[in-house]
Amino acid sequence: RKEVEQDPGPFNVPEGATVAFNCTYSNSASQSFFWYRQDCRKEPKLLMSVYSSGNEDGRFTAQLNRASQYISLLIRDSKLSDSATYLCVVTLSGSARQLTFGSGTQLTVLP
Amino acid sequence: EAEVAQSPRYKITEKSQAVAFWCDPISGHATLYWYRQILGQGPELLVQFQDESVVDDSQLPKDRFSAERLKGVDSTLKIQPAELGDSAMYLCASSDLAANSYEQYFGPGTRLTVT
Repeated sequence: RKEVEQDPGPFNVPEGATVAFNCTYSNSASQSFFWYRQDCRKEPKLLMSVYSSGNEDGRFTAQLNRASQYISLLIRDSKLSDSATYLCVVTLSGSARQLTFGSGTQLTVLP
Repeated sequence: EAEVAQSPRYKITEKSQAVAFWCDPISGHATLYWYRQILGQGPELLVQFQDESVVDDSQLPKDRFSAERLKGVDSTLKIQPAELGDSAMYLCASSDLAANSYEQYFGPGTRLTVT
């Protein structure tokens, strides 16, 4: 079983749609959680951290459920520029700040 | 904005040849990571350095891969001999753990094709 699992998609949605991505992690000792964005053939970049209380950054909302070991990312009012692969990332306590990546969920926003 | 530099951006090599990748992290970042990303998968950590010391190389295939960061600044990842299965994107990242931040900044990567 992979440590971090994501639905690979692809998700094809029209502009303006709301789309949600889910991620589960297997290690209950996981400490920190993130969503990274990776454009086609580019490097990953941090999109946002994920906190137990949930957090919002503009059109993006991330939530964490530690009991279910589940992380989500919600994108409202999708833009063409949101087309990318979204990587769910976790770290373990005391793991020297090492990131463990999921395989990513591919999103295409259609005009 | 400071960036992580990597070279070359693309490399095509024949199997059994040697290949080397170079990374220059953001100035002042003591922690440097090398990742391998196979198409359709997330990056997987190969090796982590803290200054010039290896923190973790448990996922580095040491029979053919080596990594060094002699002066604790830039780093080189080498593969010898290259195999067809090594075709992937090799990403370098750096972070400033002293800032108590988990954020890693990635370079543009080196896309390796082994023929």
